[in-house]
Parts: sequence; C-alpha cells; structure tokens
Amino acid sequence: GENVEQHPSTLSVQEGDSAVIKCTYSDSASNYFPWYKQELGKRPQLIIDIRSNVGEKKDQRIAVTLNKTAKHFSLHITETQPEDSAVYFCAASGHNQGGKLIFGQGTELSVKP
Amino acid sequence: EAGVAQSPRYKIIEKRQSVAFWCNPISGHATLYWYQQILGQGPKLLIQFQNNGVVDDSQLPKDRFSAERLKGVDSTLKIQPAKLEDSAVYLCASSFSEDTQYFGPGTRLTVL
Repeated sequence: GENVEQHPSTLSVQEGDSAVIKCTYSDSASNYFPWYKQELGKRPQLIIDIRSNVGEKKDQRIAVTLNKTAKHFSLHITETQPEDSAVYFCAASGHNQGGKLIFGQGTELSVKP
Repeated sequence: EAGVAQSPRYKIIEKRQSVAFWCNPISGHATLYWYQQILGQGPKLLIQFQNNGVVDDSQLPKDRFSAERLKGVDSTLKIQPAKLEDSAVYLCASSFSEDTQYFGPGTRLTVL
C-alpha cells in the first residue's frame, strides 16, 4: 500500500524567512497531493493541493511542487508570519485507492517574531 | 455553506466502556470518512462510505469498532469495549466524490 514520509518533523524559522517541507510517496499510481494545516486543538484545514498532471501550483505565499519521477512533493511558504505556526500534513491518494488519503507524520512549524 | 459537524467534542470514559461518535457531513457530499488521529501523528483512515455503502474498512479494528451510515447522510462510529490505546481524536471528513476532503472539528476521546 501507499506510504508517505514527511520531513522535517519540526521546523523553526524567523518571521519573514521561507519554510520548506518535503514529502515522498511510494505508490506511483497516486495522483492527488493535498496539504493540510492543523492548529492546536483544531481541525485539519486544506491549504493547497496539486494533481499529478501539474508540476507546480502557487497561491499567494504558498506553493507546492511535484516531481512524479522522484515521487516527492514539497510545500514552500514564503515571507512566513507568526500565524503560520501550526502542524502541516502532506497526504497522497489515487483513484485506485478510492480517494483514501495517506498522511505523512506531520511537521510542526514555529515562526518566531 | 455549513461545514462538517461532529459531536461530542470531548469524551472521557473508563476502559471496557462503550462510546459513540456522530458526524453530519457537508450537504450533498456522498463520501464520508472516519479517521483516527493519535497525538503527534497524522490522521489514519478507519472507514470510508460512499452514500450508505462501505468502500474501505481495511484499517477498522472490527472486533471493537463499528460504523454505520444508514441513510447515506449522518454517520456514527462506535467503540465497544474501549482500550487505553483508543485514546485519540476521531475526525470525520466528507467529500463530493473522491476529491477534496473537508474535516470536522473532531472528537477527543480519553480512555482511562
């Protein structure tokens, strides 16, 4: 079955710096890769997603890149702000998996003012 | 648009007791998911429904966990009897098809 590895587990940056979180997946049939942000005690919130027919997607300060050959995808946050502090999860799924999301272990991002 | 609703938000029980969680998905979403999120980990799928049929329950511990979605809308997840290792947040999510999933606030279960 699918397996998703996420690194780093913790990340601390200064306000205004960039943050990068990386994930690798094992199932080459996976074709949908969402990123969720989860603040303490709250629900996971979708922040951006990418499908396998696209190599990069950007939404304001957030971007995601996908390398299908290497089976890895990354989240890039530029000009970080203290409110970006949260746990970020990557996930992967495919049509042959019925839409089932396999999540990474999470990255705790801390943005210091 | 109303989001995914879950209740209760918190539950504390003794081991070997039973507990039930309720989920109301976003209106019109045919697919409903139950995830278990243990502290410090990513959510893990327990069961997936398409309307009132089960699509995937391969990770559901069927000796103690059960779930139903009788009318294809609301769903309940039950644990009987509970074990200490069941302490976790139980998240419900829904999607229009096998697409973007929206999560509810979760139920935090503590088993003592």
